[in-house]
Amino acid sequence: DAMVIQNPRYQVTQFGKPVTLSCSQTLNHNVMYWYQQKSSQAPKLLFHYYDKDFNNEADTPDNFQSRRPNTSFCFLDIRSPGLGDAAMYLCATSRKLAGEGEQYFGPGTRLTVT
Amino acid sequence: QQQVKQSPQSLIVQKGGISIINCAYENTAFDYFPWYQQFPGKGPALLIAIRPDVSEKKEGRFTISFNKSAKQFSLHIMDSQPGDSATYFCAADAGGTSYGKLTFGQGTILTVHP
Repeated sequence: DAMVIQNPRYQVTQFGKPVTLSCSQTLNHNVMYWYQQKSSQAPKLLFHYYDKDFNNEADTPDNFQSRRPNTSFCFLDIRSPGLGDAAMYLCATSRKLAGEGEQYFGPGTRLTVT
Repeated sequence: QQQVKQSPQSLIVQKGGISIINCAYENTAFDYFPWYQQFPGKGPALLIAIRPDVSEKKEGRFTISFNKSAKQFSLHIMDSQPGDSATYFCAADAGGTSYGKLTFGQGTILTVHP
């Protein structure tokens, strides 16, 4: 009865080799978010989708892209991973943009860049 | 002005004691204040949340105290248990004036000794 599922849980990639992380949800929520969390730091929002509308945070590097082919799935593409991109990547969903603000987080994907 | 400042960075409490974590904010547009609990290797999970129209909210052993004039809020964990050992993040959401974007505090690592 998992609600936000992330695959894989652990991903190792080489410097500069493109990688895709996936997220799926069973909550039928309109909004999906991608966060980057480095060790001992707070989650940092990269971008979010409200339905198919994509919103990029101003300081998200161009190296990071996202796709949301349908309500249930969202992907994070890192085009040319650098050593500084090693982090936990968290997907979250919420029912609506504003208001209660409750976000449901997935377990995360730990990305290692070698 | 978008920051949420959280303290302490780490906290050690004996079993049965009270854990207190404090947060302060500047942006008066924030109108929803959730606390998230994160265990190692897991995504954050909503613990408890409050709106500024109430000064206190209690759920089991967890209480949020909110001081609107001081722009401060805190999490109290009564009868702290070793299972409460985790990282706690306060957050704030500007609700209707934003897109449900959470601004996180820096996090507090809580350790409860048996």
